[in-house]
Amino acid sequence: GAVVSQHPSWVICKSGTSVKIECRSLDFQATTMFWYRQFPKQSLMLMATSNEGSKATYEQGVEKDKFLINHASLTLSTLTVTSAHPEDSSFYICSAMKRTGRGFSNQPQHFGDGTRLSIL
Amino acid sequence: AQTVTQSQPEMSVQEAETVTLSCTYDTSESDYYLFWYKQPPSRQMILVIRQEAYKQQNATENRFSVNFQKAAKSFSLKISDSQLGDAAMYFCAYFSGGGADGLTFGKGTHLIIQP
Repeated sequence: GAVVSQHPSWVICKSGTSVKIECRSLDFQATTMFWYRQFPKQSLMLMATSNEGSKATYEQGVEKDKFLINHASLTLSTLTVTSAHPEDSSFYICSAMKRTGRGFSNQPQHFGDGTRLSIL
Repeated sequence: AQTVTQSQPEMSVQEAETVTLSCTYDTSESDYYLFWYKQPPSRQMILVIRQEAYKQQNATENRFSVNFQKAAKSFSLKISDSQLGDAAMYFCAYFSGGGADGLTFGKGTHLIIQP
């Protein structure tokens, strides 16, 4: 299988603090991971693409200084929400891409279980 | 840029009946993948079915099948013999064959199963 672990699953913190979310591919190496955000009753929106050993690429409208992404190894990407405010409260989901040779596994992206972030 | 449109915010079906969820997309690429994901209240993303654009045959997975019309850029999901456990949000998603981009999701369809 292809297991992606995301931690923490739920975090509540005060406005102004920074929060780090981890995304790990447990049984495969992922050169590319993706971070999505999902507001209540809405769809998933891609925030950024995380590539191992290089800078993340951010989607239009996503503040790179607010959402810091680090992909220091082939199995770990982290998203840090800096100086979080109530409007940053959302559900954050990561996915890891599993490649097979020149193609993709049956499911190109394997999702973590998500992190529910609540900023008071 | 690719777009994915799901025009049905909510669908309701009787248990054991068949329901079809609609999805259309727009792309200029020839190599891509299409997916249907299920998201239950737990908010896990569960892959239901996938379709490679180069394959003419419609994908099937047990009670789930798709009607893939490449020229019309349509990708509908048919759920046969609906079960209570099928109740969830369903998202249609596009993935570029180049593999450098994330998934592009539709807005989702909330499926209700009536017992």
